[in-house]
Amino acid sequence: QLVLTQSPSASASLGASVKLTCTLSSGHNNYAIAWHQQQPEKGPRYLMKLNSDGSHNKGDGIPDRFSGSSSGAERYLTISSLQSEDEADYYCQTWGTGSVVFGGGTKLTVL
Amino acid sequence: QVTLKESGPVLVKPTETLTLTCTVSGFSLSNARMGVSWIRQPPGKALEWLAHIFSNDEKSYSTSLKSRLTISKDTSKSQVVLTMTNMDPVDTASYYCARTYYGDYYFDYWGQGTLVTVSS
Repeated sequence: QLVLTQSPSASASLGASVKLTCTLSSGHNNYAIAWHQQQPEKGPRYLMKLNSDGSHNKGDGIPDRFSGSSSGAERYLTISSLQSEDEADYYCQTWGTGSVVFGGGTKLTVL
Repeated sequence: QVTLKESGPVLVKPTETLTLTCTVSGFSLSNARMGVSWIRQPPGKALEWLAHIFSNDEKSYSTSLKSRLTISKDTSKSQVVLTMTNMDPVDTASYYCARTYYGDYYFDYWGQGTLVTVSS
């Protein structure tokens, strides 16, 4: 079964970097995912599609501070030079044949 | 500029049928590479995919909700419609539509969402 696992919360200081993790279920190491950001009281925003080889294509207007990487079943979102507006929920999402799965989301707090 | 906008009732009663419309601009529903998905989010909870539809009329539904959902499109009006039958208070959520790539089913543009409350 295709499942995505995310830590419920993360925190980092203003100006620092943070690396969020999304883990694919067993047997799905080669799956691509997408990362989405949801700021408080707003709709989600597409950040990037991240492939198993670490290559990624970002959405329109997404700053260079946002990057993605992959290792095995892990998919990462790294945000550098954290700003207050980065405080948000971050969701990973993947897909199978005719189906779509979301992770439970990680709430990022910028200290 | 790609935009998607959801519309529909803000309040429905239990057992009623919900009908939501997604009106898109900046791309065509006849584009073979792109379609539209519906996703929902109960207050304080995670996102949940509901259904998608593509230009060739290929449709897929969430396994858990398949019996209650119908998705359709009117290409001439640039609209995608989702109906959900037998609404229950647990269906209270913000409902989003999003542009979806064919084959790689990820969402690169999202609507602002519409909050639907189910209550008598």
